[in-house]
Amino acid sequence: EPEVTQTPSHQVTQMGQEVILRCVPISNHLYFYWYRQILGQKVEFLVSFYNNEISEKSEIFDDQFSVERPDGSNFTLKIRSTKLEDSAMYFCASSETGAPGGGYTFGSGTRLTVV
Amino acid sequence: DQQVKQNSPSLSVQEGRISILNCDYTNSMFDYFLWYKKYPAEGPTFLISISSIKDKNEDGRFTVFLNKSAKHLSLHIVPSQPGDSAVYFCAAALNNAGNMLTFGGGTRLMVKP
Repeated sequence: EPEVTQTPSHQVTQMGQEVILRCVPISNHLYFYWYRQILGQKVEFLVSFYNNEISEKSEIFDDQFSVERPDGSNFTLKIRSTKLEDSAMYFCASSETGAPGGGYTFGSGTRLTVV
Repeated sequence: DQQVKQNSPSLSVQEGRISILNCDYTNSMFDYFLWYKKYPAEGPTFLISISSIKDKNEDGRFTVFLNKSAKHLSLHIVPSQPGDSAVYFCAAALNNAGNMLTFGGGTRLMVKP
């Protein structure tokens, strides 16, 4: 079964450093998403991306965050200057049609620890 | 953000019996409701969804019921199996450009052999 692949599985970074989280969505999917889950809290929407531009973003997704599809296969989330509160599990997801009724396919996540 | 709530943090059920997971929401504009299952160290896995214009959707052992007047949905798993033990999230979405999912806090289901 096709998978969404995320790398690395765990990243530790110092506060103030830039991090790039990488995702390889399912090959025929056109809609891409980032979500995060802070330990003990809900899964939260960050951003949706279609046709090389952001479709929607949450209040969490401020100027410190950016997304990019640098080539035909990767989808990245960059945090420019990490803060302690950015520590969370970050999930990438993709969808063929973008229709929520069909569900999105999530990756296994990257655990980001900011120290 | 309390738009989607799962009031039971955990549920324990005997193998073979029915598991009923509940979810409440506040935004009557949601167009779709979804259930995801999550195992440790994995991402959420889509289980089943229901459109806001329906009141029931069934897929194998999984059935989702939607009560719009009560702003309540439930996931029924029957019969429950030990492999169903996981955290279950309900989520809701508007059918718009971003189609963002708003998640509940999750219910941990334990199915005992």
